[in-house]
Amino acid sequence: SQQGEEDPQALSIQEGENATMNCSYKTSINNLQWYRQNSGRGLVHLILIRSNEREKHSGRLRVTLDTSKKSSSLLITASRAADTASYFCATEYRVNYGGSQGNLIFGKGTKLSVKP
Amino acid sequence: KAGVTQTPRYLIKTRGQQVTLSCSPISGHRSVSWYQQTPGQGLQFLFEYFSETQRNKGNFPGRFSGRQFSNSRSEMNVSTLELGDSALYLCASSSTSGLAVQETQYFGPGTRLLVL
Repeated sequence: SQQGEEDPQALSIQEGENATMNCSYKTSINNLQWYRQNSGRGLVHLILIRSNEREKHSGRLRVTLDTSKKSSSLLITASRAADTASYFCATEYRVNYGGSQGNLIFGKGTKLSVKP
Repeated sequence: KAGVTQTPRYLIKTRGQQVTLSCSPISGHRSVSWYQQTPGQGLQFLFEYFSETQRNKGNFPGRFSGRQFSNSRSEMNVSTLELGDSALYLCASSSTSGLAVQETQYFGPGTRLLVL
């Protein structure tokens, strides 16, 4: 399978705590994106990090990318009950002189539960 | 700007029937991709259209087809429905073609299809 792997599969924390989710992938990528999905609804784009970037921040989100280990992590700081959702990483694989495979490859997701 | 819209939101069909789902991308976006999400297989890429041409196709049988119109709106069709086609079908739009390095893909709310 070309899919990335997120871990953990499920994470339960208290409001105010930090949540860290990890994603591993298999081959060279152009970029990696993180998405959130609330209860079987559409995907909400959170952040895109390019292969030449190591860290990116957006509000309470911090994403890191380690291309040597083919892994990324998403940190949500000071979590809120509203952060309860499934989180997916999606990679765009690099082919042929830096071009794109042409579609996103998703992991299975991490189900985050934030208890008030 | 209005987001990606999908119609219908929910659909119930019986085995052997066919179904057509519609997706309107964000204004100005010329790329539309379709994904199938099931509990067992996760999110899987179906196909991508850019400027009315199919640019990329996932590993799905020929019963799954699509098209894109000159206004970038896209439809996907599933013929001879099977129970296993029950899923959430998501479309995503982007300003760039899948063959170029992708920018962010923005997803619609999805169409939930139930096949009885």
